[in-house]
Amino acid sequence: KAGVTQTPRYLIKTRGQQVTLSCSPISGHRSVSWYQQTPGQGLQFLFEYFSETQRNKGNFPGRFSGRQFSNSRSEMNVSTLELGDSALYLCASSMGGGEGEAFFGQGTRLTVV
Amino acid sequence: GEDVEQSLFLSVREGDSSVINCTYTDSSSTYLYWYKQEPGAGLQLLTYIFSNMDMKQDQRLTVLLNKKDKHLSLRIADTQTGDSAIYFCADISGGSYIPTFGRGTSLIVHP
Repeated sequence: KAGVTQTPRYLIKTRGQQVTLSCSPISGHRSVSWYQQTPGQGLQFLFEYFSETQRNKGNFPGRFSGRQFSNSRSEMNVSTLELGDSALYLCASSMGGGEGEAFFGQGTRLTVV
Repeated sequence: GEDVEQSLFLSVREGDSSVINCTYTDSSSTYLYWYKQEPGAGLQLLTYIFSNMDMKQDQRLTVLLNKKDKHLSLRIADTQTGDSAIYFCADISGGSYIPTFGRGTSLIVHP
């Protein structure tokens, strides 16, 4: 059974640009969550999608958005990039029933210059 | 979950036992988890425990839960250099779909 796949693994962008990250969950999983990980703030929850609907949202500005497709694949978009957006972005998939057993991808390392 | 706290660093000698501690504030936590993150990788689920359990053992890993004190610990027996990583504690409360993670404990294993 394939694990959670995130693409790309590494990305370098310039301030003001926008970026789209992709996450393919484990087959059969309907929930995809996104996290931002930085040395200073630790692991911060961005949002969660379940059956193509955003079900939970963290405290991030509107520049951070996402969506989920009918095959459960999810994309995260960050517009008007800032230097502080440099981070490891992790995606986690789960069945979504509240048991919380989440499986993480390798992450996308975003560097904003 | 509401808040999950962990110490930031732990250093042990190879072959010794490691104990990583975690405290949480949400009394309605239903599941508690331990994740491991190696450099450059995502989080890997190590083990989890239901809130109605006191202990769970899985090979070299032992999880202890003290619900009264809202304290969770992970003991790694015979710690190896390959166990060097960041360990995250997380909890999830009834009715929530999103676990709350601690800041992570960086375990350093030296010869």
